[in-house]
Amino acid sequence: TQLLEQSPQFLSIQEGENLTVYCNSSSVFSSLQWYRQEPGEGPVLLVTVVTGGEVKKLKRLTFQFGDARKDSSLHITAAQPGDTGLYLCAGVGLGAGSYQLTFGKGTKLSVIP
Amino acid sequence: DAGVIQSPRHEVTEMGQEVTLRCKPISGHNSLFWYRQTMMRGLELLIYFNNNVPIDDSGMPEDRFSAKMPNASFSTLKIQPSEPRDSAVYFCASSSRARSIYNEQFFGPGTRLTVL
Repeated sequence: TQLLEQSPQFLSIQEGENLTVYCNSSSVFSSLQWYRQEPGEGPVLLVTVVTGGEVKKLKRLTFQFGDARKDSSLHITAAQPGDTGLYLCAGVGLGAGSYQLTFGKGTKLSVIP
Repeated sequence: DAGVIQSPRHEVTEMGQEVTLRCKPISGHNSLFWYRQTMMRGLELLIYFNNNVPIDDSGMPEDRFSAKMPNASFSTLKIQPSEPRDSAVYFCASSSRARSIYNEQFFGPGTRLTVL
């Protein structure tokens, strides 16, 4: 069974601070996705990283895929209250199992104005 | 464009009752997924349909759970009889690229189920 461990589970920071969320596994994935979920809504895809060592930037968000394709990180620079939400990482299965997403339990971020 | 539509948004029922959750995927998407989300276990895949055919139902907890997809625009998840431990948020998601490394899935707003 593939597992994804996310840390921290909860994070409360002041507006303007930087933060990093980690997603780790002992399994290799074909790619790694990050979703953001707001209360009462479903997760929304932010980014997919595919190549080991890949770095993608989305405005103030920087996503990195580990060289071995087992782990990933999300870094937010100068957090804003609008960044508040549940951040989920999801590993995409290998080969014929690519339909399967293995989700971490999420990091609940609160950005205080 | 309409996203994934789920109904009802909230369902409160008593133990032993039958519950039916409904989903309309995004038009043109050939893959549909049902997930369950709880604090303890996070998001878990229950069942995956491709072109209306169930491909992987290994995540369905037990025989009390069943899912159907009679056509490309409609799916149901039924729990009969329901139990308090089934209380969770149930999501439906659809995709046009489920069998690729990109596998972008579009989630509905979810149905919050409470079984008393």
